[in-house]
Amino acid sequence: DTGVSQNPRHKITKRGQNVTFRCDPISEHNRLYWYRQTLGQGPEFLTYFQNEAQLEKSRLLSDRFSAERPKGSFSTLEIQRTEQGDSAMYLCASSVTGTMGEKLFFGSGTQLSVL
Amino acid sequence: DQQVKQNSPSLSVQEGRISILNCDYTNSMFDYFLWYKKYPAEGPTFLISISSIKDKNEDGRFTVFLNKSAKHLSLHIVPSQPGDSAVYFCAASTLTDYKLSFGAGTTVTVRA
Repeated sequence: DTGVSQNPRHKITKRGQNVTFRCDPISEHNRLYWYRQTLGQGPEFLTYFQNEAQLEKSRLLSDRFSAERPKGSFSTLEIQRTEQGDSAMYLCASSVTGTMGEKLFFGSGTQLSVL
Repeated sequence: DQQVKQNSPSLSVQEGRISILNCDYTNSMFDYFLWYKKYPAEGPTFLISISSIKDKNEDGRFTVFLNKSAKHLSLHIVPSQPGDSAVYFCAASTLTDYKLSFGAGTTVTVRA
């Protein structure tokens, strides 16, 4: 399978705990994105990388959130001191520039529940 | 600030009929538009896209229409099939910004 892979698929944690999610993009894609989706809403942009460089962060990404992409391959998203409002589906995507524009390929997501 | 809006949260259509999903946007800099389909507990999957230099793009049962002057696009699915039951997201980006802005989605239910 050469699609975008995310682990874990589900994470249940207690408020105040730290969690880390992993994303393995499609190997030839140099851009990697993190999005968050809550029920009834579309995916909201959090941050994106071009190779290992983090080029943009949304204001949604508080200082409790940090993302890394060492060596421009896989990426991790860490949430420190989780809050109940962090409960959401966290989606990773990677992209390639097509003939018309950027097409993002998404993983299956990590569903986070903060109790 | 919601730059991409899908004002119909749900749509129910009979199998074999046409499904029409609508999307409006406010950012005139958007020049690339995409539709994604999402099943429960899965990530969105790319369906079809259109560049701002075109007004129509067709791929099998799926056709996307773009009206730039009205800042409106629509997705037509014909004929609708039970497997089309899913949430459909409209998304847009600009030439200089790779990230996508998404609408809130429309849940399509195809009735047998």
